[in-house]
Amino acid sequence: AQSVTQLGSHVSVSEGALVLLRCNYSSSVPPYLFWYVQYPNQGLQLLLKYTSAATLVKGINGFEAEFKKSETSFHLTKPSAHMSDAAEYFCAVSDFTGGGNKLTFGTGTQLKVEL
Amino acid sequence: KAGVTQTPRYLIKTRGQQVTLSCSPISGHRSVSWYQQTPGQGLQFLFEYFSETQRNKGNFPGRFSGRQFSNSRSEMNVSTLELGDSALYLCASSLVGGNEQFFGPGTRLTVL
Repeated sequence: AQSVTQLGSHVSVSEGALVLLRCNYSSSVPPYLFWYVQYPNQGLQLLLKYTSAATLVKGINGFEAEFKKSETSFHLTKPSAHMSDAAEYFCAVSDFTGGGNKLTFGTGTQLKVEL
Repeated sequence: KAGVTQTPRYLIKTRGQQVTLSCSPISGHRSVSWYQQTPGQGLQFLFEYFSETQRNKGNFPGRFSGRQFSNSRSEMNVSTLELGDSALYLCASSLVGGNEQFFGPGTRLTVL
């Protein structure tokens, strides 16, 4: 079964600093990977996705992620953090077993941005 | 294009009651999935419906059930509510063959 592991339940960065949120996956087949963001009292918003095309994926709000098969990683980065980036971030992998599309999520990383 | 809508947004129930939550997918999306989000267990898959048929089911007791209507709208029902059912219930829709799921704002269920 597919799974993802997010290292670090809380990450704190200064405004303007690099954001790096880590995600490692486990999958018996080439995975489809996603990063979602959740603001307080809201649903999940897709930041970006990897679907076996380019290994460097650019998303919304200046985020990007690189798929590294050799490291089974899909870390999320942003060169310069903004206060509005403070939120919870979830890495997810698709499981197409049974013809459906089920997402398995990591435990999430709460990003804090400090002045 | 309107996003995924969920009603109600907030709900308070007492133990033993039952509850029905509703989800309207994005127009043209025929697959609807439900997820439960709690601080302790995180985001967990409940079930997925496509063309009024349950296509996938997560590891939840039979008290959790769902259905999908011909217009792709979906409902989930939880019977005999327990305190541990307090959670944010998220609905997501996707296109046929699509790999991207679009989430609604969720229904916050509190069981007292």
